[in-house]
Amino acid sequence: AQSVTQLGSHVSVSEGALVLLRCNYSSSVPPYLFWYVQYPNQGLQLLLKYTTGATLVKGINGFEAEFKKSETSFHLTKPSAHMSDAAEYFCAVIGGSQGNLIFGKGTKLSVKP
Amino acid sequence: EAGVVQSPRYKIIEKKQPVAFWCNPISGHNTLYWYRQNLGQGPELLIRYENEEAVDDSQLPKDRFSAERLKGVDSTLKIQPAELGDSAVYLCASSSSGLSYEQYFGPGTRLTVT
Repeated sequence: AQSVTQLGSHVSVSEGALVLLRCNYSSSVPPYLFWYVQYPNQGLQLLLKYTTGATLVKGINGFEAEFKKSETSFHLTKPSAHMSDAAEYFCAVIGGSQGNLIFGKGTKLSVKP
Repeated sequence: EAGVVQSPRYKIIEKKQPVAFWCNPISGHNTLYWYRQNLGQGPELLIRYENEEAVDDSQLPKDRFSAERLKGVDSTLKIQPAELGDSAVYLCASSSSGLSYEQYFGPGTRLTVT
């Protein structure tokens, strides 16, 4: 069965520092992978997705993620953190018998001035 | 383009009371999802509709939860009776096709059962 594991429930970085949020997946078939962001008291917003093709995927707000099959990883990065990046980030994979989104537990990103 | 609309945004009820949540998806989106998000967790799918048909309700606790999407547009999720463990955020999402690749989420309804 497909699943995702997000390493670290809380990550704190300084403004201007590199952001790295880790996601590892488990899938018996080529995975479709996603990163969503959730700001306080809001719904989830799609940041980026990997389906097929280029393994380095660029998303909104300067985020990108690289699909590494050998490491079963899909880590999210941003070169320089901004205060407005403070939010919760969810990695997800298409899975289950119905092909639904399966989410990780989330990583809360804090950005210090 | 208007996003997914949900109401109410917040609801506090006593246990054993009924409660209902409403969702209006993005215009033209045939697929509608209801998720439950417990504190500190990712969303978990409760039910997925393709137009009026519930195509996946395997995770919906059918003894107390029900949902409907009568005209294939807006949808209602009901809990009767509510239990303390139902306290969570209930999210609605929609997508433009049967593929759940890009889902658009509403702001959610935060339910507190006392």
